[in-house]
Amino acid sequence: DGGITQSPKYLFRKEGQNVTLSCEQNLNHDAMYWYRQDPGQGLRLIYYSQIVNDFQKGDIAEGYSVSREKKESFPLTVTSAQKNPTAFYLCASSFRRDNEQFFGPGTRLTVL
Amino acid sequence: GNSVTQMEGPVTLSEEAFLTINCTYTATGYPSLFWYVQYPGEGLQLLLKATKADDKGSNKGFEATYRKETTSFHLEKGSVQVSDSAVYFCALRGGSNYKLTFGKGTLLTVNP
Repeated sequence: DGGITQSPKYLFRKEGQNVTLSCEQNLNHDAMYWYRQDPGQGLRLIYYSQIVNDFQKGDIAEGYSVSREKKESFPLTVTSAQKNPTAFYLCASSFRRDNEQFFGPGTRLTVL
Repeated sequence: GNSVTQMEGPVTLSEEAFLTINCTYTATGYPSLFWYVQYPGEGLQLLLKATKADDKGSNKGFEATYRKETTSFHLEKGSVQVSDSAVYFCALRGGSNYKLTFGKGTLLTVNP
């Protein structure tokens, strides 16, 4: 089955630690995205990638980093510089940047 | 810049009631408009979309019409079911800008 997988579903981190969230897609999509969802705030774009080895900052990139070494993978690292990292993180992909975006099931990150 | 304003929730209805969730937008050019649905603990799913003025998107009994004169894209359903309980997000993609801009979401609870 084609789709987007995110792992883990729940993640706990101590303050001061970096953590990497996984996102994999087997839809052969060129574009991939990371969003952050906070209660009552909708979704905000963190980073996006239109093609392998290329990515751009979204609206709230500070404290986050990404890589796009393979077409199917777009991991997100939440660094210790992110002041308020507790949130629900959603990965999405689309065939091209102006096509429909498909979302993964999300990872809930809690900083202890 | 682009923005989406949607009806604040939560909205609580009885089964078979009529649903309207209001959505208005601000955008340059001619945006595409979307409604996404998020069931508890899951990612987002595209519910319906409209790409030009006067288009009507429809899916699973839900409808929304792209009204350029009122910059609106209100979501409606004639008879809701318990299984429709979810968070609904209005979103736009403006002109040549591939980025999705989301509203804050509206929580719908349908009671039997």
